[in-house]
Amino acid sequence: ETGVTQSPTHLIKTRGQQVTLRCSSQSGHNTVSWYQQALGQGPQFIFQYYREEENGRGNFPPRFSGLQFPNYSSELNVNALELDDSALYLCASSLLGVTYNEQFFGPGTRLTVL
Amino acid sequence: QQQVKQSPQSLIVQKGGISIINCAYENTAFDYFPWYQQFPGKGPALLIAIRPDVSEKKEGRFTISFNKSAKQFSLHIMDSQPGDSATYFCAASMGSPDSWGKLQFGAGTQVVVTP
Repeated sequence: ETGVTQSPTHLIKTRGQQVTLRCSSQSGHNTVSWYQQALGQGPQFIFQYYREEENGRGNFPPRFSGLQFPNYSSELNVNALELDDSALYLCASSLLGVTYNEQFFGPGTRLTVL
Repeated sequence: QQQVKQSPQSLIVQKGGISIINCAYENTAFDYFPWYQQFPGKGPALLIAIRPDVSEKKEGRFTISFNKSAKQFSLHIMDSQPGDSATYFCAASMGSPDSWGKLQFGAGTQVVVTP
C-alpha cells in the first residue's frame, strides 16, 4: 500500500471547463509530481511541487497549474479543458534530497473531456 | 518527443517462459533507470531500478541489463507467471536531487502470460 491517495477517482467535464484534482502524499514525503497518462501511453511529467513551489515543469501549457499545501498535499488545476486533456492523471510523492529515493504513485484520476 | 523508446508494444509469453522488454535513451545525463509495473486501474509501482555504474541487477525473477555505451537497458522476467500480466514501463531520470522525481517514461509494454 503506497499511501498516496487521489480524488476524485473519475471525472467527466466538457470542453472549456476547469477542473481541480487532488493528491495526498505519503507520510514523510515532501515532494509531489504530477503526470498525465493518455490511453495506451506512458505517463508524461507535468510538473513537480516542493516546499509549496513549482520545482520543474514538463512540456505542458500554463493552463496546467498546481498548488502544494503545508501538509504536502497538492492540487492540479486545468483551465479551458480540451478534448486531448482526457487522460489518467497520476500523482507521485517522494522525499526530495534523498538520492534515488523511490517515488510512490497514487491510483490516478480518470478525466474525460466531452 | 519520447526521450525513452520502449519495445515491443506488447508480448505474449507462456507460463514459465522469459519476457524481455527493451528500452533506449538519448540523454546521457540520465543516470537512474527504473522499471514500473502497472495493473489496470492502478498507478505504476516500482519493480526494480538500476544506476549506470552496474551492468546488471537482479531481484528475484526480475533482472535489468544495462549497456551504457549503447544507451540501452532491458528487463528480463524469468519464469513468467500469469500474475505478471500487466503493463511494464521503463523510465529514466537524472540523479541530482533537483532532478529527482522528474521521470521520462517509455510508452509501455503490455505483457500477457498464458497458462
